[in-house]
Amino acid sequence: QVQLQESGPGLVKPSGTLSLTCVVSGGSISSSNWWSWVRQPPGKGLEWIGEIYHTGSTNYNPSLKSPVTISVDKSKNQFSLTLSSVTAADTAVYYCARRAPTVLLDYWGQGTLVTVSS
Amino acid sequence: EIVMTQTPLSLSVTPGQPASISCKSSQSLLHSDGKTYLYWYLQKPGQSPQLLIYELSNRFSGVPDRFSGSGSGTDFTLKISRVEAEDVGVYYCMQSMQFPPLTFGGGTKLEIK
Repeated sequence: QVQLQESGPGLVKPSGTLSLTCVVSGGSISSSNWWSWVRQPPGKGLEWIGEIYHTGSTNYNPSLKSPVTISVDKSKNQFSLTLSSVTAADTAVYYCARRAPTVLLDYWGQGTLVTVSS
Repeated sequence: EIVMTQTPLSLSVTPGQPASISCKSSQSLLHSDGKTYLYWYLQKPGQSPQLLIYELSNRFSGVPDRFSGSGSGTDFTLKISRVEAEDVGVYYCMQSMQFPPLTFGGGTKLEIK
């Protein structure tokens, strides 16, 4: 059973950098899956941020205002999210998820709340 | 980007009664390969979203058969034949026809009467 666990600071200052890591267990990050980040502002809906393949190939949501980078560390079986120049609008629960062929986002982490505030 | 619109925003259903949620896309989700790239998720209170239906009408592993997905082109429906207490939460449709990005509907909150 694949499990994903997010970790990172719960509070980031405006104009700062938000960095999160997702550790994958129960399966290899080098499998035929993409690894995604999705966020959910408090009381609102879901927004797909982007994804990465174990080769380092990435896809991003062009609608995001803050610069986004997703990276992978195969040796640690984890991938990471970095958002730069964050604002209060980036306050959200951030989820990591696996995008499998056909079924898409089938496994999700528990989510981690990141608040952007001074 | 394809915009997904769900209705209603919320619904309250008596246990054992059916429920229906609508999702409309701004462009057709029917691919030339014959598949319709429409998905349904349920986010139970305090939990992460969980996959219910993939590619329009296929139930994901472990999903009860009281859940069904249907529709075509730009109009889609998730039906619950007999609502149970454990079905409460927010339902989201999602498309992958035009990707990136994946886009979600705004959500429909299901409550039990």
